[in-house]
Amino acid sequence: QVQLQESGPGLVKPSETLSLTCSVSGGPLSTYYWRWIRQSPGKELEWIAFIHYSGSTRSNPSLKSRVTISSDTSKNQFSLSLRSVTAADTAVYYCTRGNYYYMDIWGKGTTVTVSS
Amino acid sequence: QSVLTQPPSVSGAPGQRVTISCTGSGANIGAGYDVHWYQQLPGTAPKLLIYDSNSRPSGVPDRFSGSNSGTSASLAITGLQAEDEADYFCQSYDNTLSGPLFGGGTRLTVL
Repeated sequence: QVQLQESGPGLVKPSETLSLTCSVSGGPLSTYYWRWIRQSPGKELEWIAFIHYSGSTRSNPSLKSRVTISSDTSKNQFSLSLRSVTAADTAVYYCTRGNYYYMDIWGKGTTVTVSS
Repeated sequence: QSVLTQPPSVSGAPGQRVTISCTGSGANIGAGYDVHWYQQLPGTAPKLLIYDSNSRPSGVPDRFSGSNSGTSASLAITGLQAEDEADYFCQSYDNTLSGPLFGGGTRLTVL
């Protein structure tokens, strides 16, 4: 059974870079689309970016200039970097597995607070 | 960022049937993309409930069903149970976003 686990700092200072890693167990980083989704304190869900096992990536246009998504198949992990964070980036961040259209497996999520 | 429109809350008594609507536009549901539904129990991550508009992953009871029409979709829950109390989110692919777009979520209260 495939499981996803997010890791990273829970507190990031404004203007710094948020870095998160998703560790995938129970299956390889193949065939699927691996995404980062975040949920604001008001509960709105927002897609951030995906990486496909082929190496292709895409980001939400509203975040594109600040986002980098990458993967390390040797470690069965994929990662997110979000630059120049502000308080508006405070959210629960989820890593997910899915196909091109939906997400079928979600990690438990990690809370990130942007504050000085 | 624009979202798919859902009612903020719905409620029903145990055993009753409730529906949750999800209204989009020509860039997503109206473009023919399927709608997917997620259930988020308190303090947990969203869980896929319905995919491809009306298919259920293994383990999801057939009390849950989905349907589409034009630029809207609906989730129906029959035989309401206390354990169904949760937030429900719809999601579809959006051409403008070139990615998944979510509804604002509906809180289901079982009276």
